[in-house]
Amino acid sequence: QLQLQQSGPGLVKPSETLSLTCSVSGGSIRNRTYYWEWIRQPPGKGLEWIGGVYFTGSTYYNPSLKSRVSISVDTSKNQFSLKLISVTAADAAVYYCARKNQPLRWFDPWGQGTLVTVSS
Amino acid sequence: DIQMTQSPSSLSASVGDRVTITCRASQSISSYLNWYQQRPGRAPKLLIYGTSSLQSGVPSRFRGSGSGTDFTLTISSLQPEDFAIYYCQQTYSTPTAFGGGTKVEIK
Repeated sequence: QLQLQQSGPGLVKPSETLSLTCSVSGGSIRNRTYYWEWIRQPPGKGLEWIGGVYFTGSTYYNPSLKSRVSISVDTSKNQFSLKLISVTAADAAVYYCARKNQPLRWFDPWGQGTLVTVSS
Repeated sequence: DIQMTQSPSSLSASVGDRVTITCRASQSISSYLNWYQQRPGRAPKLLIYGTSSLQSGVPSRFRGSGSGTDFTLTISSLQPEDFAIYYCQQTYSTPTAFGGGTKVEIK
């Protein structure tokens, strides 16, 4: 059963870079059926899609965040990563990674979530 | 971008009740509509994809229907573990978007 395990700091200073990693176990990130996605959820609010990556390194992003986001994949480590630059208080959220079935376009499973606080 | 609107934003129901949640897209999304359940402090869990296909392991009391712009999630007989927030998601076009959520609370 495929599982996603997230890692990375839960506290980031304003104007600095948020960096999170999602490690895939129980399956290969090179599986051609799937994309690998990041989604976030501000406390008490709804879900916002950030972007995704294919195992080839091809990426696509939410236009609202595109200028600040970078998602990358490391097939040798079976993991993918998120970087968000120049963070502000508005970027405080629980960040989730997820697998996307590309033909059927569903997101499952999701990682456990990482609460990121933005504070000096 | 396509906007997703859910209603109601919250509802109170009793165990055994039939519950219906609606989701409306700002333009046609064909059948590219998914439903997720999120329990407190947990990640969302996929319930239904492609409007009406039940994800493996999800109880058959969950049913999805609709097409075009209007979609429905029905729980035929609410169970204690179903009290949660439910989100719809369109995957017809990029960026994918989620509805604002419907919180199902115990009456």
